[in-house]
Amino acid sequence: NAGVMQNPRHLVRRRGQEARLRCSPMKGHSHVYWYRQLPEEGLKFMVYLQKENIIDESGMPKERFSAEFPKEGPSILRIQQVVRGDSAAYFCASSPLQGHEQYFGPGTRLTVT
Amino acid sequence: GENVEQHPSTLSVQEGDSAVIKCTYSDSASNYFPWYKQELGKGPQLIIDIRSNVGEKKDQRIAVTLNKTAKHFSLHITETQPEDSAVYFCAASINNNDMRFGAGTRLTVKP
Repeated sequence: NAGVMQNPRHLVRRRGQEARLRCSPMKGHSHVYWYRQLPEEGLKFMVYLQKENIIDESGMPKERFSAEFPKEGPSILRIQQVVRGDSAAYFCASSPLQGHEQYFGPGTRLTVT
Repeated sequence: GENVEQHPSTLSVQEGDSAVIKCTYSDSASNYFPWYKQELGKGPQLIIDIRSNVGEKKDQRIAVTLNKTAKHFSLHITETQPEDSAVYFCAASINNNDMRFGAGTRLTVKP
């Protein structure tokens, strides 16, 4: 049973470009969470999604950031017009049911030059 | 909202000694407290968790205790080994939603 998959593992973007981060949850998991981790810091909750629904986006910046989890395919975290401050590791986690353990992917390290 | 504080930020122990990491939380409604281990360049890995209806849980060399009244919980690692070296994160949430993480503890186990 494959774990949570994230790609790309590393992503370099110039200021102003768009970044698309993908997350495929574990098989059978329909709940996805996105977190951001700055160097030497803990993880900060961004958004919680179920298939085709955003449940909680209270941790996501109001501008430039969006997330989706379509009926088919991976969850996507999109960052438009990236700035240097967006440089971080972005992790997604999945769980089979609300209230169950979250299992993390290996993360995508975004560098904005 | 929930605020989780974690101490110490760094911890160095000799192989075979015990390591204790402590966390406090602010929201008395929080009822789920996982601990994650993160190795360099990898995602966090769940190592143990505890729910608010339990005071203590043990899994081999790892144990977690929870004091609901004081709103703090601790991770105990006994007989530490070099492979236990990593960054450990505590977290608190209500029903595993909107999980708030501590800032992390970098544990170094010296052989």
